Amino acid sequence: EVQLVESGGVVVQPGGSLRLSCAASGFTYDDYTMHWVRQAPGKGLEWVSLISWDGGSTSYADSVKGRFTISRDNRKNSLYLQMNSLRIEDTALYYCAKIATSSAFDIWGQGTMVTVSS
Amino acid sequence: SYELTQPPSVSVSPGQTARITCSGDALPKQYAYWYQQKSGQAPVLVIYKGTERPSGIPERFSGSTSGTTVTLTISGVQAEDEGDYYCQSADNSGTYVVFGGGTKLTVL
Repeated sequence: EVQLVESGGVVVQPGGSLRLSCAASGFTYDDYTMHWVRQAPGKGLEWVSLISWDGGSTSYADSVKGRFTISRDNRKNSLYLQMNSLRIEDTALYYCAKIATSSAFDIWGQGTMVTVSS
Repeated sequence: SYELTQPPSVSVSPGQTARITCSGDALPKQYAYWYQQKSGQAPVLVIYKGTERPSGIPERFSGSTSGTTVTLTISGVQAEDEGDYYCQSADNSGTYVVFGGGTKLTVL
């Protein structure tokens, strides 16, 4: 079964740091670009970041650039998001998502909740 | 920054046709994708590359494009189609992924 499972979401204070993980299974992980997408409570989807199949290319939304770092470990079939200098507006459910050859997000995880609060 | 614009809400009665639009300047150049999200669940792809339907998605879901606007059409809407629908594309350079603000489909 093709599956993505996120973990690492917790409650953290403003200015704090957090590392999210996403474990992939059921497909050839290192063939695909991977993304993080977030959804604030009651709000829409917001793209956060992407990383190419080999980690050689990354991109970030302006709202997180300079604070978040995406990475991957193809030996462990895992995707990561290092989140620094967290702000209240970073509070959201964070999804990892796989890109299909059609360039659509064809597989999503169940999400992990990050709450930034004092 | 680049934006995709969707209507906040669309309401239809069962059996009618729902049309959800998405507008963006780069849409003539970049493919559009549509996702359905039901309450408490992850999004599900319903249309890719503007008009293509993934396997397992009912035929009543279709997509069309016209200039800077793309449209998701749901023919013969059923109660189970209720949820939020998001369009997704990229900016002109193809560097940044963008989602529309989402449209809440209510089946009356």
